[in-house]
Amino acid sequence: DTGVSQNPRHKITKRGQNVTFRCDPISEHNRLYWYRQTLGQGPEFLTYFQNEAQLEKSRLLSDRFSAERPKGSFSTLEIQRTEQGDSAMYLCASAPANTGELFFGEGSRLTVL
Amino acid sequence: GDSVTQMEGPVTLSEEAFLTINCTYTATGYPSLFWYVQYPGEGLQLLLKATKADDKGSNKGFEATYRKETTSFHLEKGSVQVSDSAVYFCALSGRGYQKVTFGTGTKLQVIP
Repeated sequence: DTGVSQNPRHKITKRGQNVTFRCDPISEHNRLYWYRQTLGQGPEFLTYFQNEAQLEKSRLLSDRFSAERPKGSFSTLEIQRTEQGDSAMYLCASAPANTGELFFGEGSRLTVL
Repeated sequence: GDSVTQMEGPVTLSEEAFLTINCTYTATGYPSLFWYVQYPGEGLQLLLKATKADDKGSNKGFEATYRKETTSFHLEKGSVQVSDSAVYFCALSGRGYQKVTFGTGTKLQVIP
């Protein structure tokens, strides 16, 4: 399967702990996106990479959140000092250049106790 | 900033009924418009798109027309099936297809 892969699929953690999610995009896609989705809401934009460059980051994103895409391949999203309000589904998507079509992974669900 | 407004759901229809899900947008310039669909237990996937005014996107019997004068991109299907039950998201992207902004989604339930 050559789709977008996200790991782990589920993460339960205690408040104050750090968590990291990984996303492996479709190999030929140079754009990679992170979104957050809560129940009954649409995906909320977090950040976006073109190759290894992080081109945009949501102003709503706390400085506890950081994302990287070393070498322009896989990406990681780290949340430090988690809070209960961070509980959500974290979605990764990749896209080829100049199409606007995002290919989503199945998401990583975070539960903060 | 850019935003998308969708009609609230859930929408419940009988099989073979006509479907309309309303979507309006606010954006600078001339965005590209999309409908994504999320079937139960699956990830979001692109359903259709339109990149300029008066374009009609279509796929799987669904259609949507880019109306610049009304800033709308309503989703329609002439005869829905039970298998169309899903959550539908309207979205837009500015020039260069960078940030993609999504609406809140509309849940559709089709009953036999």
